[in-house]
Amino acid sequence: QSALTQPASVSGSPGQSITISCTGTSSDVGASNYVSWYQQRPGKAPKLMIYDVSNRPSGVSDRFSASKSGNTASLTISGLQAEDEADYYCSSHRSGNTLVFGGGTKLTVL
Amino acid sequence: EVQLLESGGGLVQPGGSLRLSCAASGFTFSSFAMSWVRQAPGKGLEWVSAISGGGVSTYYADSVRGRFTISRDKSKNTLYLQMNSLRDDDTAVYYCARRSRGAVALGGGGMDVWGQGTTVTVSS
Repeated sequence: QSALTQPASVSGSPGQSITISCTGTSSDVGASNYVSWYQQRPGKAPKLMIYDVSNRPSGVSDRFSASKSGNTASLTISGLQAEDEADYYCSSHRSGNTLVFGGGTKLTVL
Repeated sequence: EVQLLESGGGLVQPGGSLRLSCAASGFTFSSFAMSWVRQAPGKGLEWVSAISGGGVSTYYADSVRGRFTISRDKSKNTLYLQMNSLRDDDTAVYYCARRSRGAVALGGGGMDVWGQGTTVTVSS
């Protein structure tokens, strides 16, 4: 099962905005309303940041937003802060009753 | 407090077996679907398996289907992963996670509660 495609790394300065893409196929991202995004800091468990394409769980900053167009989902972080530095993963349901993650993107705050 | 606590990891030889447990507390366990997700050293997240709230529906990644079995015990509020015929590439930290929206195994809502992970090392 091939992973969804994410850029290996992105970077930005404090206060800037960055966007992380997550590209799949018509069998997963393109067909699913269940795209999620997770933040993982070193040595820690993942944290849910976005669910069902663009919804934020309670407690997640509104600086985090997400959307989907065709086979590509995107996570945008505005007003970048040092604490946002982490790995970010997208996930999607895939036809055949499976779930697939992206390869992960390392966000560096310069 | 809503919490998940994994246990059962360790060192096992190739071809061996191991059973992971995930003890849930602070919520009505049977009302939520659960998943296992793993992360090999220095690698990304990989979904392993999911189970519905009632335990009837189960799903597996191709990489583990036929070797791993997910199950749950409502009376013990515990999720399990029985791992057989283990291979070197099964070496990873294994996390259990709760699906935030209800009992459907692969429903919406994302995975909102995660355990701290348990480490499985397959090596001779």
